[in-house]
Amino acid sequence: AQKITQTQPGMFVQEKEAVTLDCTYDTSDQSYGLFWYKQPSSGEMIFLIYQGSYDEQNATEGRYSLNFQKARKSANLVISASQLGDSAMYFCAMREGNDYKLSFGAGTTVTVRA
Amino acid sequence: NAGVMQNPRHLVRRRGQEARLRCSPMKGHSHVYWYRQLPEEGLKFMVYLQKENIIDESGMPKERFSAEFPKEGPSILRIQQVVRGDSAAYFCASSYSGDGNQPQHFGDGTRLSIL
Repeated sequence: AQKITQTQPGMFVQEKEAVTLDCTYDTSDQSYGLFWYKQPSSGEMIFLIYQGSYDEQNATEGRYSLNFQKARKSANLVISASQLGDSAMYFCAMREGNDYKLSFGAGTTVTVRA
Repeated sequence: NAGVMQNPRHLVRRRGQEARLRCSPMKGHSHVYWYRQLPEEGLKFMVYLQKENIIDESGMPKERFSAEFPKEGPSILRIQQVVRGDSAAYFCASSYSGDGNQPQHFGDGTRLSIL
């Protein structure tokens, strides 16, 4: 079974608007971590934001925030005030329990329009 | 640059040759992970190493693939007798510890092309 599901293969967003990228996960562990990474066309993987399963507050890092809904097993990424440089592929990933390996979703391509 | 360093950035090999991919973790990091990314897909875990030890190689093919992280020097992912299906981007990541809340920081990847 897929551990991480990203249902939006591609999205367009107008510059300066907010965009929400969906991510749902599947785990039976009580302890887990959720990560978002950005992959620009140049190919590198850039860590954006982390949410622990026991964290009560939604994580925020600058213009990135994570909408964590534990009962629904969703961890959506919100990018506020989109910039042209936000155009990239975005991956949601999960680490379960004491495991160290990350399980990645298929990714969502975001294109920011001027 | 104190980030994860991978080289080469691009590597072209003919079928049957060997490919050696190198990864130097971030300063102070002793945990290294290798992932493979096929076109249009997310990354898939291959192997997890600490200095001189392979902790988990469950994601690595049993044949032709090997990894090491010696006491001195970079981690090496070695692919012997490469085939077309080995064409992919190979990413190395490192972390300070194996704790679940520690993010893994990735290098820029090595794009391997098999002719």
